[in-house]
Amino acid sequence: AQSVSQHNHHVILSEAASLELGCNYSYGGTVNLFWYVQYPGQHLQLLLKYFSGDPLVKGIKGFEAEFIKSKFSFNLRKPSVQWSDTAEYFCAVNPLGGGYNKLIFGAGTRLAVHP
Amino acid sequence: EAQVTQNPRYLITVTGKKLTVTCSQNMNHEYMSWYRQDPGLGLRQIYYSMNVEVTDKGDVPEGYKVSRKEKRNFPLILESPSPNQTSLYFCASSSGRTDSSGANVLTFGAGSRLTVL
Repeated sequence: AQSVSQHNHHVILSEAASLELGCNYSYGGTVNLFWYVQYPGQHLQLLLKYFSGDPLVKGIKGFEAEFIKSKFSFNLRKPSVQWSDTAEYFCAVNPLGGGYNKLIFGAGTRLAVHP
Repeated sequence: EAQVTQNPRYLITVTGKKLTVTCSQNMNHEYMSWYRQDPGLGLRQIYYSMNVEVTDKGDVPEGYKVSRKEKRNFPLILESPSPNQTSLYFCASSSGRTDSSGANVLTFGAGSRLTVL
């Protein structure tokens, strides 16, 4: 079955520290990849997405992610986090070819940034 | 403003009392979906709909029903709620196309927190 694994469930960082959140998926075909962010008490918002082309994609608020096809990974990075980045982050995979856009989510990583 | 609207946002109910969570989108999206979010499990898809009168089960459909009589609305129905359906529910929509134009990005509603006693 298709699945998405996020390796860290909770991450605690100090402001200005660098961030990397891991995401691996299990699907051998073509995929679209997403990172969504959920700030406390809010709904999910799209952070960035990969459809094709350059495997290094840049999103909002200084986030970026790199798609490594050989490793089935799509890790999220930010060089210097801020307190306002405190949120839960979800990796999601859309396996193509099924004719519909089913999105499979990882369990999420809760990030806490301390001032 | 383009948005997905869910109601109610918060609801406490008792076991067995039928309830409906409404979802409406104003973007003329063909695809709509319901997810439940539980700690440590992320978002799991309950049901989805490709278009009017076209619905299908997601990963966790047991105990839920949906309907899609109009393009803009996709209500989630709990005929006989049970405590294990206590969760945070999200409705989402997209244009439904799966090409590389970016058209299959989901827009989420604000969520409905349901507690079943």
